Amino acid sequence: AQTVTQSQPEMSVQEAETVTLSCTYDTSESDYYLFWYKQPPSRQMILVIRQEAYKQQNATENRFSVNFQKAAKSFSLKISDSQLGDAAMYFCGTGANSKLTFGKGITLSVRP
Amino acid sequence: GAGVSQSPSNKVTEKGKDVELRCDPISGHTALYWYRQSLGQGLEFLIYFQGNSAPDKSGLPSDRFSAERTGGSVSTLTIQRTQQEDSAVYLCASSQLAGGPFHEQYFGPGTRLTVT
Repeated sequence: AQTVTQSQPEMSVQEAETVTLSCTYDTSESDYYLFWYKQPPSRQMILVIRQEAYKQQNATENRFSVNFQKAAKSFSLKISDSQLGDAAMYFCGTGANSKLTFGKGITLSVRP
Repeated sequence: GAGVSQSPSNKVTEKGKDVELRCDPISGHTALYWYRQSLGQGLEFLIYFQGNSAPDKSGLPSDRFSAERTGGSVSTLTIQRTQQEDSAVYLCASSQLAGGPFHEQYFGPGTRLTVT
């Protein structure tokens, strides 16, 4: 079984600043991966970043990076140089055997 | 190429009626997934298909829910005798493969179902 907890329902960041979205998880799987998806008002889910749990090096995709602490079961997302287009709902999750488990999401707003 | 498409984009139905939601995956993608997103909640896994077979139906909430996939392509999610608690956004996703390491799931825009 897999559970994902996103304890902050919403956050706000000033344009060009950095923000970190937190996420913790629990899983009984030994081979799993973690991810963050973004959902703008259009409802279209877009993969932001992902990481296989066996990899120790934190994943980075342009302005997006993660801080993966396996022992603590933590997978936070850092957004650098925030842009207005980053405003959306962000979902953290885990996956194993084709099954994705999502957290409840966090709404990120970006102040101009 | 075209992404995942879903129809209708919005559906309003009366309690007790049956509804069918359609998903067209990305061409060539063998795996197809259905999720439900209730207001203020994350995505809840319903079912996934590998080709035309459904190895995991564990997320279907009741026997009023069923899904099929034909020709390894289009999928239909059917909800019989709809209830107000079925109101949600139903999202479909597809990926090239299923199982094993990460295969990115590409999502459609969803169908917003409202049961009155």
